[in-house]
Amino acid sequence: AQSVAQPEDQVNVAEGNPLTVKCTYSVSGNPYLFWYVQYPNRGLQFLLKYITGDNLVKGSYGFEAEFNKSQTSFHLKKPSALVSDSALYFCAVRDIKLSFGAGTTVTVRA
Amino acid sequence: DAEITQSPRHKITETGRQVTLACHQTWNHNNMFWYRQDLGHGLRLIHYSYGVHDTNKGEVSDGYSVSRSNTEDLPLTLESAASSQTSVYFCASSEEGLLDEQFFGPGTRLTVL
Repeated sequence: AQSVAQPEDQVNVAEGNPLTVKCTYSVSGNPYLFWYVQYPNRGLQFLLKYITGDNLVKGSYGFEAEFNKSQTSFHLKKPSALVSDSALYFCAVRDIKLSFGAGTTVTVRA
Repeated sequence: DAEITQSPRHKITETGRQVTLACHQTWNHNNMFWYRQDLGHGLRLIHYSYGVHDTNKGEVSDGYSVSRSNTEDLPLTLESAASSQTSVYFCASSEEGLLDEQFFGPGTRLTVL
């Protein structure tokens, strides 16, 4: 069965510092991986996805994610975090259906 | 602009009542989904549809039903609401490809007393 794990419930960083949100996955076939962001009282918004090709995927709002097959990871990164990046982030894996992780709350302090 | 809307945004109901949550999308997407979001569980799939008259059960479908009579709408019905169904419900849609990103509605907060 497919699944993703987000090992950190919360990530706190200072504005301007690098931001990393961790995700590991488990699938039986090829991994199709996604990151979504949820701002307060809003629905989820798509950030980026990995289907095949380059291990470094670039997405919206300056975010990128690195696919690492040997470590079965798909960590989300941003070189310089903004206060406006404070939100709930979800990793997801697609097999027959899309399965979401439990989410990581990111707080960026000014 | 195309969008996906949900109504109502907030609903309080009593145990045992039937409740229907509406979802309407103007993307002309074939695929539509219903999720519930609960603390510590992320999003869990309730039902999904790949086109008109097609419906499928997700991982937490007990107590819920859907019907797809047109492309734009996928209403979610709670046949007999239970307190365990207190949650935030999200509708989503995507294009036909299974690897396409999903577009989410703003959510409905349902409280069952």
